[in-house]
Amino acid sequence: ESVLTQSPGTLSLSPGERATLSCRASQSVSSSYLAWYQQKAGQAPRLLIYGASSRATGIPDRFSGSGSGTDFTLTISRLEPEDFAVYYCQQYGSSPGTFGQGTKVEIK
Amino acid sequence: QVQLQESGPGLVKPSQTLSLTCTVSGGSISSGSYYWSWFRQPAGKGLEWIGRVYTSGSTNYNPSLKSRVTISVDTSKNQFSLRLSSVTASDTAMYYCCSGYYYRGDSWGQGTLVTVSS
Repeated sequence: ESVLTQSPGTLSLSPGERATLSCRASQSVSSSYLAWYQQKAGQAPRLLIYGASSRATGIPDRFSGSGSGTDFTLTISRLEPEDFAVYYCQQYGSSPGTFGQGTKVEIK
Repeated sequence: QVQLQESGPGLVKPSQTLSLTCTVSGGSISSGSYYWSWFRQPAGKGLEWIGRVYTSGSTNYNPSLKSRVTISVDTSKNQFSLRLSSVTASDTAMYYCCSGYYYRGDSWGQGTLVTVSS
């Protein structure tokens, strides 16, 4: 089972700033089956990125994903007020589809 | 995209069986190549994939829960269901049903909170 480690645990930034979130896997993620989700308080997660770098339907282009193998990054180019949330990475290529512990992006 | 809605008891006694149903609307559960999955999230904690079912009825489960989980699909009702037996307090969580490819969640229900308590 692949263990995903996200860093940092919390990111304190101001609106308009760039956010860079990291996800490192203990084993290589097959075929870049790496997804990123956004979760706001009291809401279900929302799929942002799949295949490490493909944006899901309706996701603004300020969100971008990159990486391969064991190291992946989610970048939010300019933070909007609605982007402050918790972000999770998930490898979904092999059972049991493990998640990272999450990175909270909070307003500085 | 399809819409999903979880339903079921919000309170389950220890050692009993948790049963939830997910109703799919805006599309047929039999069409496409989606898997229909369940995830859960204890309060203040991260996400866990529980298992998935395909429209053929084939299933895959998280090894950590496999001995207690059953997921099934009812295409006539456009629903799929989760049963988790022998529950304990550690099974208290928000439970989400999802559609998606492989082991990911593309579309999510709003979630339903299940508390295990006597």
